[in-house]
Order: sequence, then structure tokens, then C-alpha cells
Amino acid sequence: AQSVAQPEDQVNVAEGNPLTVKCTYSVSGNPYLFWYVQYPNRGLQFLLKYITGDNLVKGSYGFEAEFNKSQTSFHLKKPSALVSDSALYFCAVRDRKGSSGSARQLTFGSGTQLTVLP
Amino acid sequence: DTAVSQTPKYLVTQMGNDKSIKCEQNLGHDTMYWYKQDSKKFLKIMFSYNNKELIINETVPNRFSPKSPDKAHLNLHINSLELGDSAVYFCASSQGTITNEKLFFGSGTQLSVL
Repeated sequence: AQSVAQPEDQVNVAEGNPLTVKCTYSVSGNPYLFWYVQYPNRGLQFLLKYITGDNLVKGSYGFEAEFNKSQTSFHLKKPSALVSDSALYFCAVRDRKGSSGSARQLTFGSGTQLTVLP
Repeated sequence: DTAVSQTPKYLVTQMGNDKSIKCEQNLGHDTMYWYKQDSKKFLKIMFSYNNKELIINETVPNRFSPKSPDKAHLNLHINSLELGDSAVYFCASSQGTITNEKLFFGSGTQLSVL
């Protein structure tokens, strides 16, 4: 079974400071990893994904994430936070070996509410 | 143009009623999904269709019945609504069923069962 943990329900950071939103995962094989963002009253929007190759993945809006296989983590980062980055962030995982049924599904974490303070 | 659109945006109804939520995508994608987001923002997949064929059916009560008239549409019908059905329901789509593809989400339907 695959799972995702986002240990922080809430992250507050001052505008201009670096931000990190944490994510750890568990899969039986190798993972495909994703970050999505949800703004109020909106659907989720794709930010970035890790498939293979370079462990540092760059995505939309200046976000990046680092895949760490030994720590089974995929933390989301941004060097300088903006007030407009305030939103709910979801980490998600799929097992590469998933071939049918529920193994194909994208499993989401519980979300982390990021608040960037002016 | 909205890529994945779902209607209605808000749905308030009484217990025991039957209601439907419609979803359409204009991305030419082959696969569509329904997700349920509870009050704690936890997202869980309910159904997935690929080219009108059901490929994922999680442990959802059989009061929930998805219907895909064509690959651009995936509607969700709910019979005998219960208080616990109150949630935000998201439709999503992806190009295919390959596990590394990203999903495109609709803006959600807030269902409130009174």
C-alpha cells in the first residue's frame, strides 16, 4: 500500500523568507511524486512532479522540490515566499509498479495550509 | 475556456433526496476521476473511468453511481443522500492512465446535506 504524510497542518512564514512544506512517502516500489496547490474555493492545480533523474525538480511559480530516496521525502521549497503563495498544498504519490485498480490511484497527503505573512 | 468544468458549484439538499453532479472536460483526455474532499481537506479517490470504462471503484457506497456517456463527460449520481455525504466533490481528468501523468481538476461542487 502507498501512503503520504504531511506532518504539518499549518506553516507560517514571513514574506521574502524561504519556505519549506514537508512530505514523506511510503511505496512498495519506486515512487512518482507530485505537489498540487489548492486556492480557496478552487480545484487543485499541478505544481511539479518527480519521475526520474535529477533529484531537484523545478515547477510552477518558483517552487521546487527535492527527492530524497534515503529519507523517503519530497519537501516543497521556495527561496522567497510571496503573500500570494498562501494556499493549501498537497503532496501525492503513485507507486511505479501500480498496474491495476487502486494501485493506479494517486494517494494524497492530508494537506498543509501555508500562510505567508506580509 | 475552462478545462474541467463541473456543475453545480453548490448543492444544498435534504436527506433522502437524489442528486447529480455533472463534469465535462475539453482537454481531449481519456481518463476522468471523481474525488471526495472531506471537512478536514482529506482527498480520496472514488471512481476513475478510461474511455467510458470503469477502471477504479474504491469502497464507495453503491448509492453513488458514476456514468460516462462519452470520454469527455463523467457524471456522478447520488441516491438517498445522507448527512455524511456532505463534502466537496472534485472531478479531474488526465491524458491516460500512465502513473506519472498529472491531473487537471475542476473547481469542485460543495454538497451540503441537511
